[in-house]
Amino acid sequence: EADIYQTPRYLVIGTGKKITLECSQTMGHDKMYWYQQDPGMELHLIHYSYGVNSTEKGDLSSESTVSRIRTEHFPLTLESARPSHTSQYLCASSGSGGLGYNEQFFGPGTRLTVL
Amino acid sequence: KNQVEQSPQSLIILEGKNCTLQCNYTVSPFSNLRWYKQDTGRGPVSLTIMTFSENTKSNGRYTATLDADTKQSSLHITASQLSDSASYICVVIDRGSTLGRLYFGRGTQLTVWP
Repeated sequence: EADIYQTPRYLVIGTGKKITLECSQTMGHDKMYWYQQDPGMELHLIHYSYGVNSTEKGDLSSESTVSRIRTEHFPLTLESARPSHTSQYLCASSGSGGLGYNEQFFGPGTRLTVL
Repeated sequence: KNQVEQSPQSLIILEGKNCTLQCNYTVSPFSNLRWYKQDTGRGPVSLTIMTFSENTKSNGRYTATLDADTKQSSLHITASQLSDSASYICVVIDRGSTLGRLYFGRGTQLTVWP
């Protein structure tokens, strides 16, 4: 079944640890995105990718980095987690066209808490 | 500045009742407007997508309206169910750039009580 997956769903980690949030999609989409969302606030785009070996920074500055080595996989990495990184991270994908012209499908999200 | 404002911020209704959520935007030039439903702890799921020329679009008990002249949209939920409890997010897409940027509202938190 075509879907978009994120792991882990919840992560509690100490300050200074390196973490990688996984995102995979079986939708056959070329474009993928990472959003950050705090409770009661709007989604903010932090990274996006048009395809393999393509990554761009989004509207919200983030200390995280991303990679796109395979079409279906778009992991996000924090080299040294801090309490300010505590948030919900949502991954999304979309088909052909510009960044927003085609519908974006979202994963279930990862709730990150840095102590 | 391109913005999307939603009201009310939160809403509580009884099961079986109707409700209407509002979205005002200043995004220009406008491409299309989408309403998403986001359950707690989950990613948003698309309910409706409306282009400039569309005034009304329905998806089951959900009906979205769009007035591109006044830059307003509404989402009407009929005969609410407990499962309708969620955040409803208005998203406006900008066609001014080649990227088609998405602008998100903060959402309306709807709670349906039995």
